[in-house]
Amino acid sequence: AQTVTQSQPEMSVQEAETVTLSCTYDTSESDYYLFWYKQPPSRQMILVIRQEAYKQQNATENRFSVNFQKAAKSFSLKISDSQLGDAAMYFCASRGMYSGGGADGLTFGKGTHLIIQP
Amino acid sequence: EPEVTQTPSHQVTQMGQEVILRCVPISNHLYFYWYRQILGQKVEFLVSFYNNEISEKSEIFDDQFSVERPDGSNFTLKIRSTKLEDSAMYFCASRGLRYNTEAFFGQGTRLTVV
Repeated sequence: AQTVTQSQPEMSVQEAETVTLSCTYDTSESDYYLFWYKQPPSRQMILVIRQEAYKQQNATENRFSVNFQKAAKSFSLKISDSQLGDAAMYFCASRGMYSGGGADGLTFGKGTHLIIQP
Repeated sequence: EPEVTQTPSHQVTQMGQEVILRCVPISNHLYFYWYRQILGQKVEFLVSFYNNEISEKSEIFDDQFSVERPDGSNFTLKIRSTKLEDSAMYFCASRGLRYNTEAFFGQGTRLTVV
């Protein structure tokens, strides 16, 4: 079983500044993946970044990076140089790597609404 | 770029009616999923489908729900005898075979039960 907790219902940041969104998780899986998805007002779910739990190096994707602390079960998302287009709901999610024959669905947190102040 | 497509984008149905939500996954993907998002709440896993059978389902996915891959390209979610609380956004997703691939989501179908 997996649980994902996002303790920040809403965050606000000035355009061009840096913001960090928090996520903690719990899992019984030995190998798993962690994800951040973005959901803009169109409500489409868009993958932002992915982290394999067996990798120590934090994933980076352009202005987006994560701080993965495996022992603490923490997976925060840092957005640098925030842009107006970054305004959206951000969901943290996890998935087991091998359970269910690899077919496990994602477990999502409740989301953080990110507001970008111009 | 390949994408997951869902139809219709919005469906309104009378309580008690049956609805079928349709999805066309990315063509070379082998894992298929349905998720539900009630307005203002988190996205919840409903069911995963692989090799023409259900791999995993959540407690939400009861006898009211069924999935099918009727023709090798479409992936459908049928909801029988809809209830008001079935009103939600329903997302289809697909994923490739390799363990480290991510799921790609469709744009969603907004189901409104009146």
